[in-house]
Amino acid sequence: KQEVTQIPAALSVPEGENLVLNCSFTDSAIYNLQWFRQDPGKGLTSLLLIQSSQREQTSGRLNASLDKSSGRSTLYIAASQPGDSATYLCACVSGGYNKLIFGAGTRLAVHP
Amino acid sequence: GAGVSQSPSNKVTEKGKDVELRCDPISGHTALYWYRQSLGQGLEFLIYFQGNSAPDKSGLPSDRFSAERTGGSVSTLTIQRTQQEDSAVYLCASSLGGDRRNQPQHFGDGTRLSIL
Repeated sequence: KQEVTQIPAALSVPEGENLVLNCSFTDSAIYNLQWFRQDPGKGLTSLLLIQSSQREQTSGRLNASLDKSSGRSTLYIAASQPGDSATYLCACVSGGYNKLIFGAGTRLAVHP
Repeated sequence: GAGVSQSPSNKVTEKGKDVELRCDPISGHTALYWYRQSLGQGLEFLIYFQGNSAPDKSGLPSDRFSAERTGGSVSTLTIQRTQQEDSAVYLCASSLGGDRRNQPQHFGDGTRLSIL
């Protein structure tokens, strides 16, 4: 059974720092891994999707990497801003039907 | 509409009542998913629809939970005889069909359900 873990559970940083959020999964046979952002009281916004054949994806200040063999993904946020404050969730698809298995999330606070 | 729409946004009901939650997926998305987000359990898969069929219902927690989808579009999640442990945010997502396992899922804002 696939299990997804995210470290740290919470993170507070000053504005401008570069930071790394970690995600690990127990079964390396995944089809893809997605990173999401969730603001309080809102749904999930998809940030990046990395297919199993890819090693990384980039969007603006965000870069996500995937190492299937070690069961790890990282989300790198460059030059953090207060508007980046949110909960970041990683989720992977393994098995059929594109069902997402989620980690518990990292709650990020970026203070001015 | 432009995104996944869920209604109601909030629902408060008494224990033992039945509730219906609605999801309108993005137009043209044939795949639809229900998830539940609760304190202490995180985000959990409930059920997957491809068109009007539900080939994966493995996440439904009990037979009090059921869902249907009509016309390959709107879906309704029904919880009968609600219990306090059903209190959670219920999220709906949709994605394109085809190569289903590599399509990003797009989420609605959810229905926050509170059972008194």
